[in-house]
Amino acid sequence: GAVVSQHPSRVICKSGTSVKIECRSLDFQATTMFWYRQFPKQSLMLMATSNEGSKATYEQGVEKDKFLINHASLTLSTLTVTSAHPEDSSFYICSARVPGGAPQHFGDGTRLSIL
Amino acid sequence: DAKTTQPTSMDCAEGRAANLPCNHSTISGNEYVYWYRQIHSQGPQYIIHGLKNNETNEMASLIITEDRKSSTLILPHATLRDTAVYYCLPLSGAGSYQLTFGKGTKLSVIP
Repeated sequence: GAVVSQHPSRVICKSGTSVKIECRSLDFQATTMFWYRQFPKQSLMLMATSNEGSKATYEQGVEKDKFLINHASLTLSTLTVTSAHPEDSSFYICSARVPGGAPQHFGDGTRLSIL
Repeated sequence: DAKTTQPTSMDCAEGRAANLPCNHSTISGNEYVYWYRQIHSQGPQYIIHGLKNNETNEMASLIITEDRKSSTLILPHATLRDTAVYYCLPLSGAGSYQLTFGKGTKLSVIP
């Protein structure tokens, strides 16, 4: 089945650091990828929709200058958390949609801890 | 997108069938019903989806009522590894394909 790989799985860094998270579709081309954030004991919240070759679409309340998304190829989307602060600590998860209407498949998430 | 209502939590004995209900009374005609689950500290895992007819795969069965206002996910023989939060998600067959996650049902499979 379709596999989505997310890297790294865990990041611990100092406040003010920028952190890049990669999301790869391993056995299919994904024109659309999605980025979610999940705080403890809460559900997933969609942050942005990443479209290959065009600008990402951000959900209301998500700062596009803070969370930079690049979808430069059909198999890779990246999320960069710029100048991260402790309140950005969360579980970040990506997903990719298989073309043709098949279900989205999710990566295993990145746990980001900002000290 | 249609709103969904699911029980907050459920328990199921290991080896028994787990029946997880979902109410989606405002679902529109072109919206599929998708089920995902999230095991602790992992990304969501696709389980099954359907539009009108009941569906079965190697993981589960999906029963959709005739009026499409509710559905039930059935795990025929629950194991401890099925302990997870289960999400019922209506999704249009066309458009943005965005999934909107509610709170889901926390299923605990008990030995």
